[in-house]
Amino acid sequence: GQSLEQPSEVTAVEGAIVQINCTYQTSGFYGLSWYQQHDGGAPTFLSYNALDGLEETGRFSSFLSRSDSYGYLLLQELQMKDSASYFCAVRDNSDTPLVFGKGTRLSVIA
Amino acid sequence: DAGVTQSPTHLIKTRGQHVTLRCSPISGHKSVSWYQQVLGQGPQFIFQYYEKEERGRGNFPDRFSARQFPNYSSELNVNALLLGDSALYLCASSFGLAGDYEQYFGPGTRLTVT
Repeated sequence: GQSLEQPSEVTAVEGAIVQINCTYQTSGFYGLSWYQQHDGGAPTFLSYNALDGLEETGRFSSFLSRSDSYGYLLLQELQMKDSASYFCAVRDNSDTPLVFGKGTRLSVIA
Repeated sequence: DAGVTQSPTHLIKTRGQHVTLRCSPISGHKSVSWYQQVLGQGPQFIFQYYEKEERGRGNFPDRFSARQFPNYSSELNVNALLLGDSALYLCASSFGLAGDYEQYFGPGTRLTVT
C-alpha cells in the first residue's frame, strides 16, 4: 500500500515564499502529483513530477527526489487567493488509482 | 467546454436509506473515478470505471457500488447508509486509464446522513 505525510497546516505572509513538503511510501512509483482545493471547491490539478528535479509553472514549482521518496510544492509571491488545502498524491503504477495525502491547509495572511 | 458535472450538489438522507449520486465526465473522457472526502482529509479512492468496466476498487464495503453507462456517465450507489457515510463525494474524469496523471474533478455531492 501507499502512505503519504505532509504538514497539516502552514501559515505564510502575502508576497512571501512557502514550501509544502511531502514524503511518501509506495510499493511502486508512478509520479507525484499536487492538487489545490479551496474550501467548498473541487480539487484542481497543479503539477506532476515523474522524474527527479524541479518543474516550474508560473508562481508554482514542484520538486521530486525519488531516492528520498520526497517532494515539495513551492509557492512564490503568495497571494491571498492561494489560501487553500494542498494535497500530494501518488500511484504505484499506471493502472492503480491516485492515493492522496491528508492535505496541508495553507493560510496566507496580510 | 463543460467540466465534470455532478448531481445533486447536496443531499440529506436518513440512516438505512439508499442514495444514488451521478456524474458526467468531460466530453471525450472515458474514465471516471469516485472518491470520498471526509472533512479535513484527502480524497479516498472508491471506484474507477473505464469503458464501462470496473478497473479498480478501494477499501469500501459492498454497500458501495457503481456503474458506467455507454455515454461514460456514471452512478455511485450506497445502500444501508450509515452516519459515517456523511462526506463529500467527488467524481473525477480523465481521457484514458489511470495512466493519465491529471484528473479533472467535479464539484462534488455533499451527503449528510442523519
